[in-house]
Amino acid sequence: SAVISQKPSRDICQRGTSLTIQCQVDSQVTMMFWYRQQPGQSLTLIATANQGSEATYESGFVIDKFPISRPNLTFSTLTVSNMSPEDSSIYLCSVVMIGTGDIYGYTFGSGTRLTVV
Amino acid sequence: AQTVTQSQPEMSVQEAETVTLSCTYDTSENNYYLFWYKQPPSRQMILVIRQEAYKQQNATENRFSVNFQKAAKSFSLKISDSQLGDTAMYFCAFMMRYGGSQGNLIFGKGTKLSVKP
Repeated sequence: SAVISQKPSRDICQRGTSLTIQCQVDSQVTMMFWYRQQPGQSLTLIATANQGSEATYESGFVIDKFPISRPNLTFSTLTVSNMSPEDSSIYLCSVVMIGTGDIYGYTFGSGTRLTVV
Repeated sequence: AQTVTQSQPEMSVQEAETVTLSCTYDTSENNYYLFWYKQPPSRQMILVIRQEAYKQQNATENRFSVNFQKAAKSFSLKISDSQLGDTAMYFCAFMMRYGGSQGNLIFGKGTKLSVKP
């Protein structure tokens, strides 16, 4: 299965600033997914990042707030812009694991714990 | 829209005992996957077990097994011989299967499992 390196692992940021989170995959993948996990909550999909096209955002998430880049098939970034304390969450990237021609599951990065003060 | 419900916010079990975590889901589709993910305090999301909806046989992975009841839309996880390292949040997740293409994961709210020595 793919291995994802995600960084930073954590950060404390001032409100009004932006943070870019990076995910590097050790193999080429068509789609990468970005999730948010608010404190004590489950994971919510922010957007799907496709190489060579605009990311697809879920309801409640907009490109101006969470711009995504996908320059190649192994790398993606998520930026959290103009941060407020409500953006304090764990952010995770994910890719699909393919096995014997079928979907096996999802592999996740180790997450970025963001605290906005 | 698909939903996933985990009705047990917290559970505890004695080491070496067996525990069952509940999950129900709602969908009108017939072709999908179900997963259980484990998130220890390290926050890394770890795939525990997967089930393909078109397979009647319940999936097993060592000490972990599921009871998949498709008609009842139930997908419970049984952990046998519980170990201290099983202490974690457990998330049930659903994913549509679009003719082999990649969908996104819909998570339940999670069950916090504590294994006591």
